[in-house]
Amino acid sequence: DTEVTQTPKHLVMGMTNKKSLKCEQHMGHRAMYWYKQKAKKPPELMFVYSYEKLSINESVPSRFSPECPNSSLLNLHLHALQPEDSALYLCASSQGGLAGRYEQFFGPGTRLTVL
Amino acid sequence: AQSVTQPDIHITVSEGASLELRCNYSYGATPYLFWYVQSPGQGLQLLLKYFSGDTLVQGIKGFEAEFKRSQSSFNLRKPSVHWSDAAEYFCAVGGYGGSQGNLLFGKGTNLSVKP
Repeated sequence: DTEVTQTPKHLVMGMTNKKSLKCEQHMGHRAMYWYKQKAKKPPELMFVYSYEKLSINESVPSRFSPECPNSSLLNLHLHALQPEDSALYLCASSQGGLAGRYEQFFGPGTRLTVL
Repeated sequence: AQSVTQPDIHITVSEGASLELRCNYSYGATPYLFWYVQSPGQGLQLLLKYFSGDTLVQGIKGFEAEFKRSQSSFNLRKPSVHWSDAAEYFCAVGGYGGSQGNLLFGKGTNLSVKP
């Protein structure tokens, strides 16, 4: 199994809602990533988990809360989002730790719309 | 500071014509280099990567790229473009920054294919 899965595919939420994005991989990868991508822009790194520990938080607002329950699963909890948070949220994974030479495998993304 | 530059925001080629997408990087050490492709609303798919060794690397879907240290370039090529190659292409450098887990993306090149 060489894929990263993400659910849901699409999500529409109000500014007062609480929702979660889910990401799963079964490749035995030990690093997992959340990216945010706006239209016609490259992905922007949000969080990195390495060996199930949060290693990088790129100054993301606290309304985004990541969680890594186990080595295969990564969640992104959303609360009190703003319309400008509407974007494609991508999950990725790579083997090993944080070494930049490991290629990242990306999921298909969750298209989030905040009303 | 590290940087990745894709000089062409948009390129249009005719189906069957050859393709070259440019990528220049600024990095203090030998970089880990990647090319990713993204179809609309989809995740990123790795086309090829360069870590060391042979400077001409072959990837999937008939793509190849050549690492030229003297020019700090890693250009992507394909001898004959298919309509299905229309997508966004991102060049990326791995291992930048203190954490070494990050991918630094270029801004992307949007490829259109004329019939």
